[in-house]
This record gives sequence, C-alpha cells and structure tokens, in this order.
Amino acid sequence: TQLLEQSPQFLSIQEGENLTVYCNSSSVFSSLQWYRQEPGEGPVLLVTVVTGGEVKKLKRLTFQFGDARKDSSLHITAAQPGDTGLYLCAGVPSTGANNLFFGTGTRLTVIP
Amino acid sequence: DTEVTQTPKHLVMGMTNKKSLKCEQHMGHRAMYWYKQKAKKPPELMFVYSYEKLSINESVPSRFSPECPNSSLLNLHLHALQPEDSALYLCASSQEGLAGGTGELFFGEGSRLTVL
Repeated sequence: TQLLEQSPQFLSIQEGENLTVYCNSSSVFSSLQWYRQEPGEGPVLLVTVVTGGEVKKLKRLTFQFGDARKDSSLHITAAQPGDTGLYLCAGVPSTGANNLFFGTGTRLTVIP
Repeated sequence: DTEVTQTPKHLVMGMTNKKSLKCEQHMGHRAMYWYKQKAKKPPELMFVYSYEKLSINESVPSRFSPECPNSSLLNLHLHALQPEDSALYLCASSQEGLAGGTGELFFGEGSRLTVL
C-alpha cells in the first residue's frame, strides 16, 4: 500500500508555464518534505512543512501543507529547464514510525 | 555539494563477489540510512542506524549486511547478490532519528550497482 500518492506521475511543459504537483494520503504526517532528484544523483531537500495550512515559498516554488496534515502541493511559477527532475514528497507519520515514506514521484520535464 | 559522501559511485560485480559500499558524513548527524532505488521508482528504505545501533531492518535479504563502525561511517556489505539487486543505493543522514523529528534527510549522490 502506497502511503503517499503523487499526481501527475509525468508532466511535460513549455518553459514559462505554471504547474502544480499534488501529494495525497489518508494518513496524518507530523512533517512533510519535498525533494528534487536529478538522474544519477541523490534527492536534494527543497523544503519541510510541519504545521497544517503552512505555506512556504522558495523563489518560484510555493509549497503548501494541508490543514489536516494529510496532503501537500508544490506550485512552480514560470517553469525553467533547470526545474526538470523527479519531484518526491516524503512524510514522517504522526504515529511516530522511524521511517520517511516517499511518494510515488512526479517526473517533470520543462522544454526550452 | 552534498555533505554525505558515497563510494564507489559505480560498481559492477558478479553474483559470487563480495563488495562493500561506503558512506561518510561529518555533519554530526546521529542517524544514518540505506535506501535502494530502482529506475523510475521512489527510494525504498533498507536500514536505519540511530546512535550507531541498527534500529530498522526492512526485511532486507541477508545478502545485504549493514555496518556502522562509528557515528560518521556507514557501510553496506554485499555478498552473493542477484541481478535484480541492481539499483541505485542511497545513503542518507539526519540530525536525529525520524520519529519526533522533522524528517529532513541529507542524501549522498548514490552508488550505482550493477550485478551481472
């Protein structure tokens, strides 16, 4: 059973377009992270959200944690080719499990 | 530049070989992790060491044997692997264990393993 479902699975857009990636679960998380991974590299942490309803901005990226701490979204404004990569949400369950559960991933391609 | 260093970056081994993957971090983190990632899939947790003690083994076959010599080092010993074990093996560290923490992991660049 996949704890965190991401949508869409694949996304190919033109440079300058906006996009939103969703990360959904029926479980509650004490914190949720977004990572970006490029081919042949390890995931790189982008942001951590811990409070329900929290919104964080990182340049053109906006991250939101759902009020019930079960879901999150990542919005990219004016996408650039450098945004291309695999975006992974990941969460620590509020049950206290010593594991970080990764989402199914969204592979983004930004075409110049 | 990542502060978690993994060696080797690439490894090709036969099914009868014995090899090791190595991971090092100097951030003073007290928890270290091994993840396995197959192509086009998210990372899957294999092992967690917290304060140099194995705290999680996610039902990993015994042909994978982790070792944590000290708080900065983490090894993964490989023996009698199968071709389906070919994957990217990622090491990560966190300041404390995940439970009660923020879940922020710092990953190395990975070791790409091919089993022939």
